[in-house]
Amino acid sequence: GAVVSQHPSRVICKSGTSVKIECRSLDFQATTMFWYRQFPKQSLMLMATSNEGSKATYEQGVEKDKFLINHASLTLSTLTVTSAHPEDSSFYICSGDRRQETQYFGPGTRLLVL
Amino acid sequence: GENVEQHPSTLSVQEGDSAVIKCTYSDSASNYFPWYKQELGKGPQLIIDIRSNVGEKKDQRIAVTLNKTAKHFSLHITETQPEDSAVYFCAASGNQFYFGTGTSLTVIP
Repeated sequence: GAVVSQHPSRVICKSGTSVKIECRSLDFQATTMFWYRQFPKQSLMLMATSNEGSKATYEQGVEKDKFLINHASLTLSTLTVTSAHPEDSSFYICSGDRRQETQYFGPGTRLLVL
Repeated sequence: GENVEQHPSTLSVQEGDSAVIKCTYSDSASNYFPWYKQELGKGPQLIIDIRSNVGEKKDQRIAVTLNKTAKHFSLHITETQPEDSAVYFCAASGNQFYFGTGTSLTVIP
């Protein structure tokens, strides 16, 4: 199968601090990785699309200076939530595409900002 | 852009009965249709997919049908079990990837 891992699975931080979430494709190379945010009982909301070695493409309404994305290799993408505030608390999920078609998702990261 | 509608939003069935979830899409360029199962607190897991050159695909108790002319596709789960309880998302992919709004399935023992 195609396995994607995320780290950490849960994080609690103080308001104003930054949090980094890692997304790794373990057994395949992901040319493109996606970052989603999911609110309780809602569908996934695409935040940004990142291609290895390129700048991420952000969806409308997503602040690129607040949600920094780095896709340094074909197996690793990171999302950094800068100066986090309570409203940034959410479930963040990454995915990697395989054969530019199928997205395989990580287990998600639960962020709680106090 | 693409618009993927999913129905119903919630579905309760008795264990052993069948469950059907339907999705419609608008972009005729969409040619790949995966279905994901998301359990509470976890990421979505791909359970089955279908491409536009195929009308039906089956994998044990799960099947997906596609009507490309009508632009709709459906997920069928037979002989449901309590562990099938989860949120199911359809998606349509062509130039971009679009998710449906999700269906919360509850299988009652």
